[in-house]
Amino acid sequence: AQSVTQLDSQVPVFEEAPVELRCNYSSSVSVYLFWYVQYPNQGLQLLLKYLSGSTLVESINGFEAEFNKSQTSFHLRKPSVHISDTAEYFCAVSVAGTASKLTFGTGTRLQVTL
Amino acid sequence: EAGVAQSPRYKIIEKRQSVAFWCNPISGHATLYWYQQILGQGPKLLIQFQNNGVVDDSQLPKDRFSAERLKGVDSTLKIQPAKLEDSAVYLCASSLGGSVPDTQYFGPGTRLTVL
Repeated sequence: AQSVTQLDSQVPVFEEAPVELRCNYSSSVSVYLFWYVQYPNQGLQLLLKYLSGSTLVESINGFEAEFNKSQTSFHLRKPSVHISDTAEYFCAVSVAGTASKLTFGTGTRLQVTL
Repeated sequence: EAGVAQSPRYKIIEKRQSVAFWCNPISGHATLYWYQQILGQGPKLLIQFQNNGVVDDSQLPKDRFSAERLKGVDSTLKIQPAKLEDSAVYLCASSLGGSVPDTQYFGPGTRLTVL
């Protein structure tokens, strides 16, 4: 069975600083990878996803993630964060052929301060 | 486009009581999911419907949890009787269901507290 590990439960960072949220997965078969964001009192929203092709994927608000098959990682990065990026970030994996079933990590709380 | 709707947003009950949650997916979405998110953990899939049929309910505690999706649209999730460990946020999500992988759209969730 697949699993997702997000080692950092909380990441504090100052505004305009770069950030990396780490995600590692385990699976013996092909996977699809996702990052979801959950703002306070809101539902989960898809931030970006890797399905195939280019290993670097980007979101519309400046986040990017790179699929690294050899290291089984899908780390999320942003070169300069804003206060509005404060939220909970979840990495998730879906195994090919499992009808879109998502397995989530435990989440990383990104806290951006001035 | 309206998103996934859930009600109630909050519910407080005592253990051994029953509770039900309602979900209205995005119009036209064939697949509906219920997740349980315990504090400090990621969401865990409880049950997945394709139209009104169950695709996956392997992690649903069937002795106390039940779910249905009549007519392939709205869905209800019921807990009877509730236990303290059922305190969590219950998330509903929907997707088109036409291809794999499928982007899931989440509702705001129902926060359940069992006393």
